[in-house]
Parts: sequence; C-alpha cells; structure tokens
Amino acid sequence: AQSVTQLGSHVSVSEGALVLLRCNYSSSVPPYLFWYVQYPNQGLQLLLKYTSAATLVKGINGFEAEFKKSETSFHLTKPSAHMSDAAEYFCAVTWNSGYSTLTFGKGTMLLVSP
Amino acid sequence: DAGITQSPRHKVTETGTPVTLRCHQTENHRYMYWYRQDPGHGLRLIHYSYGVKDTDKGEVSDGYSVSRSKTEDFLLTLESATSSQTSVYFCAISADRVSEQFFGPGTRLTVL
Repeated sequence: AQSVTQLGSHVSVSEGALVLLRCNYSSSVPPYLFWYVQYPNQGLQLLLKYTSAATLVKGINGFEAEFKKSETSFHLTKPSAHMSDAAEYFCAVTWNSGYSTLTFGKGTMLLVSP
Repeated sequence: DAGITQSPRHKVTETGTPVTLRCHQTENHRYMYWYRQDPGHGLRLIHYSYGVKDTDKGEVSDGYSVSRSKTEDFLLTLESATSSQTSVYFCAISADRVSEQFFGPGTRLTVL
C-alpha cells in the first residue's frame, strides 16, 4: 500500500532561518507528490506539486521541494522563514495506476519565533 | 480560489440523529472527495466520486454514505451520528485522479 511519512509533528525555527520539512513516501512506481499548507480554521491550500517534469519544484510563498528518487523523499524548504509561514504543512502522494487516491501524511506544524 | 462551498459550516447534533453535509462546486471538476481531519491523523478519505452517480469508498467509510446526482453537488450523510464522528469535514475537487485537489473551507461537526 502507498504511504507517506512526515518526520516531526512539530518543527520550530526562528524568523529568517532555513525551513526544512521532511517527507518520505513508499512507492514502486513513479509518484505524484504534493505539499499543502493549512492556516488555522481554514481549508488546505496547494503549495506545490511534482508531476515528473522537473525534480526541483518551486511553489508559492518562496517554498520549493526537491524530488529525490533514490531517497524516496520530497522535502519542503524555504531559505528564510517569516512569521506568516506558521501553519500546518501536509505532504501527499498518489500514483497514476488502478484506483489510487491521494494519501496524506499526518502533518507537520511549523512554529516561527521572532 | 476554486469555487467550492460547504454547508453548513458548523453543526452540533445529538447521537443517533441523521446528518447531511453538502459540498457544491462551480468548477465542473469530475472528481469530488470527502475527508475528515482529526488531530494526529491528518486527512483521511471517507468517500469519493468520479462522476455523477459514480462513487467509491475511502479509508474510513464505515458509518457514512454519499450521493452525487449532479456534477456540482456531493452529499455526505451520517445515517446515525456517533460521538466518534465528531470531526472537521473537508470537501475537495480535482479535474482527474492525479491532478491537484482544491479544498473547501470545512464543516466542523460536533456530535454530543
């Protein structure tokens, strides 16, 4: 079965510091990978997606993620954290095969301190 | 923003009562989904639809049913609500099975 693991339920950074949120997936076929962000009391908003066109994907709000097949990873990064980045982040994966549906990780809460 | 609305946005009900949540889209997307979100579990798929009258079960479908009689509407019904169904419910839409999903604002359901 497909699965996705987000390492760390909470990540704390200082404003201006590098943000690194980790996502690993299990797959034997090429995946489609997504990162979503959720602000308090809101729905999920797409940050970026990987669909095999390029391994380094740039998203909104200065975020980017790199697909590494050898490591089955799709980590999310941002060079300099801003207070407004504080939110919960979800990695999700699906495959173009059979009846595959989107599977979400359990989420990582990003805390940004001044 | 994708045109997705959910109603009601908040609901408090009692154990054993039926509850119906509505998702409405204006994007004419083929796929529609119902998820529930609980602390420590992320989002879990309840049911999804791949066309009018075409639906399938997700990971946590027990106690839920769905219907889709029009492209734009996807209904989620709890036949007899239980306290374990207290959650935040999100509707999502996508053009196809592997495209990004767009999410509605959510419905907070409390079953007493």
